Amino acid sequence: GAVVSQHPSRVICKSGTSVKIECRSLDFQATTMFWYRQFPKKSLMLMATSNEGSKATYEQGVEKDKFLINHASLTLSTLTVTSAHPEDSSFYICSASRGGPTDTQYFGPGTRLTVL
Amino acid sequence: QQQVKQSPQSLIVQKGGIPIINCAYENTAFDYFPWYQQFPGKGPALLIAIRPDVSEKKEGRFTISFNKSAKQFSLHIMDSQPGDSATYFCAASGSSNTGKLIFGQGTTLQVKP
Repeated sequence: GAVVSQHPSRVICKSGTSVKIECRSLDFQATTMFWYRQFPKKSLMLMATSNEGSKATYEQGVEKDKFLINHASLTLSTLTVTSAHPEDSSFYICSASRGGPTDTQYFGPGTRLTVL
Repeated sequence: QQQVKQSPQSLIVQKGGIPIINCAYENTAFDYFPWYQQFPGKGPALLIAIRPDVSEKKEGRFTISFNKSAKQFSLHIMDSQPGDSATYFCAASGSSNTGKLIFGQGTTLQVKP
């Protein structure tokens, strides 16, 4: 159990367009979901924490108007990168936990975003 | 105070060897210490985790040693195999920081046949 999926796994888009990434908990209900960004050969950087039905909490330095997060149900959270630019190219990974934010986090397989 | 420092950055061992990866933290409010394994192009997978009420936890070939007074914890991989070649991340969290995982810098392990 505790499987998290992400879609798409890879996406290439033109500069200025918006891209939506989905994160789903397949076999459990996720009260809390997290979104991370990872640069090549680097560690994971937390972008935001979202709880079902409420607004996401963004980490310092993360632009909330650029990275829109929606956690509309207990199994789905979405990250929309608006007006994407080449510097937004990265590996985006979500995680989900069953209970509150102190519960074990299970990670998705990641989404590779390339902005041309 | 929120940092988790991980070493070494990279590690090469022969098959059957016991690689050891170390992490140190500063925040004494941290109470959950997981280790994640990540293969290239994939998301991290939870390997094993420990809480500060025990000094050691073993699951299969993976062992966490925890030293609360020194604020350090380490991952040992017994009888390492080429398939264990991956990047390993330690992390720490606590209810004081709403459970957010603070990750170490990562260790790239290569197990030679």
